[in-house]
Amino acid sequence: DAKTTQPNSMESNEEEPVHLPCNHSTISGTDYIHWYRQLPSQGPEYVIHGLTSNVNNRMASLAIAEDRKSSTLILHRATLRDAAVYYCILRWDDKIIFGKGTRLHILP
Amino acid sequence: DVKVTQSSRYLVKRTGEKVFLECVQDMDHENMFWYRQDPGLGLRLIYFSYDVKMKEKGDIPEGYSVSREKKERFSLILESASTNQTSMYLCASSLPYSNQPQHFGDGTRLSIL
Repeated sequence: DAKTTQPNSMESNEEEPVHLPCNHSTISGTDYIHWYRQLPSQGPEYVIHGLTSNVNNRMASLAIAEDRKSSTLILHRATLRDAAVYYCILRWDDKIIFGKGTRLHILP
Repeated sequence: DVKVTQSSRYLVKRTGEKVFLECVQDMDHENMFWYRQDPGLGLRLIYFSYDVKMKEKGDIPEGYSVSREKKERFSLILESASTNQTSMYLCASSLPYSNQPQHFGDGTRLSIL
């Protein structure tokens, strides 16, 4: 199974950009890279996904390395509401395998 | 926006009871999923369904069954609840392609006494 590796936790200051890294060295050509986040007492929430090119949406940006063995989720201006567990996931069919994720702490 | 609704946020049952967890989605999604989430173990897939009356085992199906009689509804059944099934249960739905996101409900925290 394709696996991802993320730091257990990260801290960032409010109103500063946050770069959340993810390594996926065993990624195959058909795997999509998805990011989800889970706020306290809620189900996971879709953030963004990509295949090869960098992607932007209203929530975040996704930067994908040229060899696709790593990616970075970028929150351009963190707020206290962005404190959550962020999951980087490879998806090749209908199934999703969630890892442990990165717990992001935002400091006021 | 897609809405996935789980019937209960909190549920307390007794060992040996038959427990039903219900999930409804309003976006005509083909795929539906049941996960459980435990501290230190993350989310683990129990069962999923890609069509009405179709089901596939996930990573931890033992002790569970599912039912999908209508496209919008996916039920998780604990045939004889045990204390090790105390957990947070999350339902999700999606379109059937790997570039499509899964949409989650807010979860049911189930306690088996």
